[in-house]
Amino acid sequence: SQQGEEDPQALSIQEGENATMNCSYKTSINNLQWYRQNSGRGLVHLILIRSNEREKHSGRLRVTLDTSKKSSSLLITASRAADTASYFCATDARANQAGTALIFGKGTTLSVSS
Amino acid sequence: DADVTQTPRNRITKTGKRIMLECSQTKGHDRMYWYRQDPGLGLQLIYYSFDVKDINKGEISDGYSVSRQAQAKFSLSLESAIPNQTALYFCATSDPDGGYTFGSGTRLTVV
Repeated sequence: SQQGEEDPQALSIQEGENATMNCSYKTSINNLQWYRQNSGRGLVHLILIRSNEREKHSGRLRVTLDTSKKSSSLLITASRAADTASYFCATDARANQAGTALIFGKGTTLSVSS
Repeated sequence: DADVTQTPRNRITKTGKRIMLECSQTKGHDRMYWYRQDPGLGLQLIYYSFDVKDINKGEISDGYSVSRQAQAKFSLSLESAIPNQTALYFCATSDPDGGYTFGSGTRLTVV
C-alpha cells in the first residue's frame, strides 16, 4: 500500500491563479519531498522538507509540513501553463523492517489553462 | 553524463521472455532503488539496496529479481515477463541526508 495520499486527484485552474495540493501520510518520516512529472516521463525534484521543519519556499513554491497531522501542502503561486503536470509527494520513511525508502503517493494532476 | 543512467530507455518484449533493466550511477552513493509506475499512479518500490551486500524487497517484488554488481550498478530482472508488468521503471540513488536522484526511466511493454 502507498504511504501518501494526495488531494485533490485532479485540479484545473486558470493561469495566474494559485494551486494548492495536499498530502497525507501514515507513518513517521525523515523528510517529505515533492516531485513533478510531465507527460508520464522523468521526475523533477521540487523541494525537500525535513521532519523538524514547518515551511520551506523555493521560487513560486511553498511547502508546509504538519507532523502532528501527518500532512503537507504544496502551494504554487501565480500558476503558468508550463506548470501543467502531475505532482507527487513522497515520504522518506520506513519501507519495511529492512530500512527506509522514498514512498510515493498517487499524485495530483494539475492543468493550467491560459 | 547523467548522474543516474538507465538502459534501455524503451523496450518491447514478449510474454515469457527474460529481460534485464540496467542502472548505473556516478553519485558515489551506497543506496540504490528500483521503482515501477503504472499509468495514473505514483511510483511503487520494487527492491532497494543499501550497499553491495544488501538487497531488500519492496512493496511489489513478486516476479522481479535484482543484482547489485557494484556500488554503481543495480540491475532489475524480469525472469518471465507478463503483460501486467508493462510499466515505466525508475532507478534511483540516495545520499545519507535523504536526497534522491532518479534516472530518466525505462518504458517497458510486454506483449
